[in-house]
Amino acid sequence: EVQLVESGGTLVQPGGSLRLSCAASGFTFSSTYWMNWVRQAPGKGLEWVANIKQDGSEKYYVDSVKGRFTLSRDNAKNSLYLQMNSLRGEDTAVYYCARLNSGTHGFDIWGQGTMVTVSS
Amino acid sequence: QSALTQPASVSGSPGQSITISCTGTSSDVGGYNFVSWYQQHPGKAPKLMIYEVSHRPSGVSNRFSGSKSGNTASLTISGLQAEDEADYYCSSYTSSSTFYVFGTGTKVTVL
Repeated sequence: EVQLVESGGTLVQPGGSLRLSCAASGFTFSSTYWMNWVRQAPGKGLEWVANIKQDGSEKYYVDSVKGRFTLSRDNAKNSLYLQMNSLRGEDTAVYYCARLNSGTHGFDIWGQGTMVTVSS
Repeated sequence: QSALTQPASVSGSPGQSITISCTGTSSDVGGYNFVSWYQQHPGKAPKLMIYEVSHRPSGVSNRFSGSKSGNTASLTISGLQAEDEADYYCSSYTSSSTFYVFGTGTKVTVL
């Protein structure tokens, strides 16, 4: 079964750091797919956050997280990571790991999400 | 990059057809045939329903169809069923540095 499982979300104080993980299974993680993080603030819509190329050589971020968030992947472990620093209240959201079909530009597989709450 | 514009809510009776619009610009919806639609039930992850404007992934009911005209894409749900009650989001590839932009979301209610 093709599956993405996120972990690492928790309550963190403003200015703090957090590392999210996404474990992939059931497909060839390393060679075929760009991987993404998409977030959803409570009661709000979806927002694309960042993505990373198959070999990790290219990474892109939404402007609001540039310089604070860093995306990485370990293809040997079929895992995706999001290092989040200098967290702000507006970063509070459910963070979804999503697989991108680069041919169709559709997010075809999603994890169940992990909740990040930034509050004092 | 602003979110794509969708109606906040659309409703219909069982068996009816409804259409959800998604309006962007020539830099996203109008410029590329990379519009996708996602269904999200409360507390659940989004699910891909349509990709490349009008293509359905395997397993998605043929009651769901997509189209595009200019800067506006549309999702039509035919033969509305109770299980279709959910939030729906469009998404498009964009030439901006954001790469992907989502719509504001539409709550579909089955009366």
